[in-house]
Amino acid sequence: AQRVTQPEKLLSVFKGAPVELKCNYSYSGSPELFWYVQYSRQRLQLLLRHISRESIKGFTADLNKGETSFHLKKPFAQEEDSAMYYCALSGGGAQKLVFGQGTRLTINP
Amino acid sequence: KAGVTQTPRYLIKTRGQQVTLSCSPISGHRSVSWYQQTPGQGLQFLFEYFSETQRNKGNFPGRFSGRQFSNSRSEMNVSTLELGDSALYLCASSPGGAGETQYFGPGTRLLVL
Repeated sequence: AQRVTQPEKLLSVFKGAPVELKCNYSYSGSPELFWYVQYSRQRLQLLLRHISRESIKGFTADLNKGETSFHLKKPFAQEEDSAMYYCALSGGGAQKLVFGQGTRLTINP
Repeated sequence: KAGVTQTPRYLIKTRGQQVTLSCSPISGHRSVSWYQQTPGQGLQFLFEYFSETQRNKGNFPGRFSGRQFSNSRSEMNVSTLELGDSALYLCASSPGGAGETQYFGPGTRLLVL
């Protein structure tokens, strides 16, 4: 079965501090992993995906197949990073995303 | 390119009624997926349509159905509404290849009384 776990519902850090949002997955094959973000009053949008290996808005995520994790990191948080973050998985070529429960990130000034 | 659009944005229905939601994908996208978002269950996959055929299906009862038209626009229908169907329904489009990024619409918020 495919499953995505985001252990933190809420995460609060100060501006300028490092941020790490955790994501663990369960999937028997080779998954495609994504981070989606939803800013206040905006639609869900892609932040990054593991296959592209690029940094978006200073965020990076590394797929660790041994630990089945895809944690999202940013070295210096900014207030505009406050949002809801969802980790998602797709596999087997299917256009079906399995989402984690999401982490609400709040950056304090 | 214009983004994914969904109509209507808000709906209020009563138990037992049926409802139809509409989704227009990004131009050129052939895959449309539907998701239900609730505070308790989070985001759950309903089904995906590609070239007018249902290609993937989630674990929802048969009251939830959909279709896709030749211009890739999609509709989903929920019959015999229950209180628990109150949710935000999101549609997402993609070109249709394996593992491609899905682009989400703003959602339709359905309230069942």
